[in-house]
Amino acid sequence: DTEVTQTPKHLVMGMTNKKSLKCEQHMGHRAMYWYKQKAKKPPELMFVYSYEKLSINESVPSRFSPECPNSSLLNLHLHALQPEDSALYLCASSPRQGYEQYFGPGTRLTVT
Amino acid sequence: DAKTTQPNSMESNEEEPVHLPCNHSTISGTDYIHWYRQLPSQGPEYVIHGLTSNVNNRMASLAIAEDRKSSTLILHRATLRDAAVYYCILYGSSNTGKLIFGQGTTLQVKP
Repeated sequence: DTEVTQTPKHLVMGMTNKKSLKCEQHMGHRAMYWYKQKAKKPPELMFVYSYEKLSINESVPSRFSPECPNSSLLNLHLHALQPEDSALYLCASSPRQGYEQYFGPGTRLTVT
Repeated sequence: DAKTTQPNSMESNEEEPVHLPCNHSTISGTDYIHWYRQLPSQGPEYVIHGLTSNVNNRMASLAIAEDRKSSTLILHRATLRDAAVYYCILYGSSNTGKLIFGQGTTLQVKP
């Protein structure tokens, strides 16, 4: 299995909802990442996990809460989002932090 | 953070080689040069990376200048499927291990 999967593909949520994005890889990679991409812009790093521990938080608002329950799974918990948080959320993994990254197809999030 | 400079856009004809340039004059000795591409409506895709020597893989070749201040991604025969945004990224100690995407080069391939 050489891919990163993300669910759901699309998500629409209200500003008072709580939802979660899921990312999974079975390549034995020990680093996982969350990125946010607005339309026509490059991806922006949000979080990095290395060996299931949070390694980098790019000053992301607390309404985004990452979780890495095991080495194959990465979640992003969403709560009280704003319409400007609507974007494509990308997950990636790499053998170790600092190695080449492999991206999933993303979850397109719309906040209403 | 070390920066890269790429042309905003380039055009190529199908089945012709494409040379995508990248300048990185502030590269540090431990920075790797990574290339990713993003096809429309997809996540970014790793293409190739190198440190000092030229590199080849099944997707592309990477030519690195002797002083490491510039590099060129070479697609040997462009296909319509190669139309994408190509990102040249320095990845290493100068960016504290973060993959920081710039604006990239949008490659258009004409049939």
